[in-house]
Amino acid sequence: DAGVIQSPRHEVTEMGQEVTLRCKPISGHNSLFWYRQTMMRGLELLIYFNNNVPIDDSGMPEDRFSAKMPNASFSTLKIQPSEPRDSAVYFCASSSHSGRAIDTQYFGPGTRLTVL
Amino acid sequence: GQQVMQIPQYQHVQEGEDFTTYCNSSTTLSNIQWYKQRPGGHPVFLIQLVKSGEVKKQKRLTFQFGEAKKNSSLHITATQTTDVGTYFCAGNPGAQKLVFGQGTRLTINP
Repeated sequence: DAGVIQSPRHEVTEMGQEVTLRCKPISGHNSLFWYRQTMMRGLELLIYFNNNVPIDDSGMPEDRFSAKMPNASFSTLKIQPSEPRDSAVYFCASSSHSGRAIDTQYFGPGTRLTVL
Repeated sequence: GQQVMQIPQYQHVQEGEDFTTYCNSSTTLSNIQWYKQRPGGHPVFLIQLVKSGEVKKQKRLTFQFGEAKKNSSLHITATQTTDVGTYFCAGNPGAQKLVFGQGTRLTINP
């Protein structure tokens, strides 16, 4: 099992540039989550999808952030324009939603984003 | 909104000493999960607690869920250097999402 795959693993960009982070969830999982981790704010949920549909995007910081899930095996998180305060590790996680209690979330290795 | 507070933020122990981290929610939780993140790594699921007052053990790790389902704890007996990392609790308020605590970073002096 390949696990959750994220790319790129590291991204360094300049302020104002567009950044696209990618995620491939575990095959068969129908829920996908995007998190951001910083020292100051810890692990924050940005948005999550169930069956490719965004369910809760209340954690998305502002309009510069957008996320899509065009199919069950791919999701993107886009930041446009990027700012230095967006520097963080971004994790994607997936789970198999059974409709009962929440299921285990499997995290990808993360993308370390640095905005100069 | 939903908040999960976790203490302490940092804990440094001598190898062989015990370690405990505590988690408190502002609201009743459907269940709670615990994750471990090694330095430079990603969170990895440890366990889920669902029932009021539930206690589960994994070798030297003991997890408890409070009677009111608003608090939880993780206790490690006789820490080893492999226990180093950050331990997160994550509460489920009833929706599909988890609300993570700030984590407790454990460091160990061998």
